[in-house]
Parts: sequence; structure tokens; C-alpha cells
Amino acid sequence: SQQGEEDPQALSIQEGENATMNCSYKTSINNLQWYRQNSGRGLVHLILIRSNEREKHSGRLRVTLDTSKKSSSLLITASRAADTASYFCATDPYGQNFVFGPGTRLSVLP
Amino acid sequence: NAGVTQTPKFQVLKTGQSMTLQCAQDMNHEYMSWYRQDPGMGLRLIHYSVGAGITDQGEVPNGYNVSRSTTEDFPLRLLSAAPSQTSVYFCASSYSFGTDTQYFGPGTRLTVL
Repeated sequence: SQQGEEDPQALSIQEGENATMNCSYKTSINNLQWYRQNSGRGLVHLILIRSNEREKHSGRLRVTLDTSKKSSSLLITASRAADTASYFCATDPYGQNFVFGPGTRLSVLP
Repeated sequence: NAGVTQTPKFQVLKTGQSMTLQCAQDMNHEYMSWYRQDPGMGLRLIHYSVGAGITDQGEVPNGYNVSRSTTEDFPLRLLSAAPSQTSVYFCASSYSFGTDTQYFGPGTRLTVL
């Protein structure tokens, strides 16, 4: 598996439901970031969580980090059709350049 | 602020041709980078720069050159295009290396025939 790998690869939910995506990584990190990419567009930063943090919130987004399990989760609450996008986690193995996972494709159906 | 801009948005090349993908940012960011995005593989780092005059290789640098003569600009040159370089290319910048939010350009979709 890759350094950062999201799970599931694809997720389809109804509007109003919560969406949870997970990211697993292999090495020690200083930071983990989540990005969103709408179809045909560039990536947009959502949240950065540092290795000494366990949870961060931003609006309807909640990110957790468990360094002992080398995993993170992104929760989107009360999802909207506009949340339809691909979501990527990016980790900085040993504090070096960020490495992106292959992403989770989220579809929110109206 | 325009943020990170990239030109062109689309490009078709023939095998062996060369070209330069342009990237510029107006946020006075020191760190700039180039990624390529292929289906199912996420983004892979090609080259990066931590400041004017300083560049280094990323994960997949072969076939690409970069230079950083100013803080604002970070062009990516394809020396002799190959079909394997068909991809979507993204430029990104951040205030500093490593810990900061990266701001991405809209991408260049390149097809090499």
C-alpha cells in the first residue's frame, strides 16, 4: 500500500447523511492534511492536523488523528450535493514533502 | 489576489516535442511545487523549490526540468515529450516548506500523442 491511502475508494450517500473517509499511512509524520478536489479543478485545502493533535473541527468537518494506529478520519456531517468531490489525505513522512493518497470519490445524491 | 495561476489549461503534443508549463503565484510564497495526477494514483511530486534559485527533485523528476529565477514563477519544462507524460499537471505554493497549507492552481491537462 501507499504511504497515504484513503478508504473507501468510493462512497455514495444521500443528502443529509454523514460521510466518513479514512486515511492510513506507514511512517511517522509531523502533519496530515485533507484536501478536496471537485471534478476538473485543483485541490482545495480543508484541514491540517498536527501529530500532537487528536481532533480538529472546521464547520461541518471533523478530522481525527490516531498516530498509534497511523490513521486519520474525515467526517462530513449533514452532507450536501455540493460536497460531491474527491477527497485526499496528504502526509509528510519523516517531515519531508507531502505525499498524497489516491483519494476517496464521494457522491452525495439529492 | 489571483492565487496560483497555470497556463495553458489544455495542451496536445506530439512525441518528442518540448514545451513549458507556466506557473505563477502572487502570495509571496517561498515554497512551490509541481505534481502530476494520474487516475487512481493520487498526486505525485515532480519537482519543488524552497525559494528563488533553489530547486530539488521529487518522486518522479525524469523527463522534466524546472528553474526558479523569481519568487513568483516556477515553470516546468518537458524536454522531449513521451506518451507516458500524458497527465494532469498541478502547480502548488505555500508560505514555507512542509507544514503549511498548499494552494493549488487549476491544472494543465496534457496529452502526448
